Amino acid sequence: DAGVTQSPTHLIKTRGQQVTLRCSPKSGHDTVSWYQQALGQGPQFIFQYYEEEERQRGNFPDRFSGHQFPNYSSELNVNALLLGDSALYLCASSGAFSGRALETQYFGPGTRLLVL
Amino acid sequence: AQSVSQHNHHVILSEAASLELGCNYSYGGTVNLFWYVQYPGQHLQLLLKYFSGDPLVKGIKGFEAEFIKSKFSFNLRKPSVQWSDTAEYFCAVMNSGGYQKVTFGTGTKLQVIP
Repeated sequence: DAGVTQSPTHLIKTRGQQVTLRCSPKSGHDTVSWYQQALGQGPQFIFQYYEEEERQRGNFPDRFSGHQFPNYSSELNVNALLLGDSALYLCASSGAFSGRALETQYFGPGTRLLVL
Repeated sequence: AQSVSQHNHHVILSEAASLELGCNYSYGGTVNLFWYVQYPGQHLQLLLKYFSGDPLVKGIKGFEAEFIKSKFSFNLRKPSVQWSDTAEYFCAVMNSGGYQKVTFGTGTKLQVIP
């Protein structure tokens, strides 16, 4: 049973570029959340997707956007990259948003993004 | 808004010493609480969680945590640490109102000296 997978593992971009990160949830999970973990900090919630819709959003600008596909996989897009966007981006999956709100989130290994 | 405070940023212990990592949260409603661990080079893993019931929660690898509602605390404990417990530990809170937004603390780096 594969856990949460993310691709790519590492990425280097320059300021102003755009990046797309990908996540496949754990088998049986249909909710995907994205987090940004800056060096020396705890993960910070970006947004959550369920039924292909963004259900919750943290304090991140509109440059951060996402998408969820019918197979529950998800993408995180960041436009107009800034140096401060350099971080580890984590994907977490869990069970149904409604009806089983107490499902635990399981995390993937992350994508390390470096913006030069 | 919910928030989590972990007051110990870096803890160094010798093997067999007892461990207690502090965690305090701020949220006006009912919460679910978690401790996650991140071993060097590995991804975040769930150590234990509290949703309801017995406030003393036992997790994997001999860890336990106690939820004290009156103190808004969820401290992590282990009676005897091992070198393999060297890792970063994150306390996290999720509101139980049907949303799964999880707020993490800044983490505590634990170094266990053989």
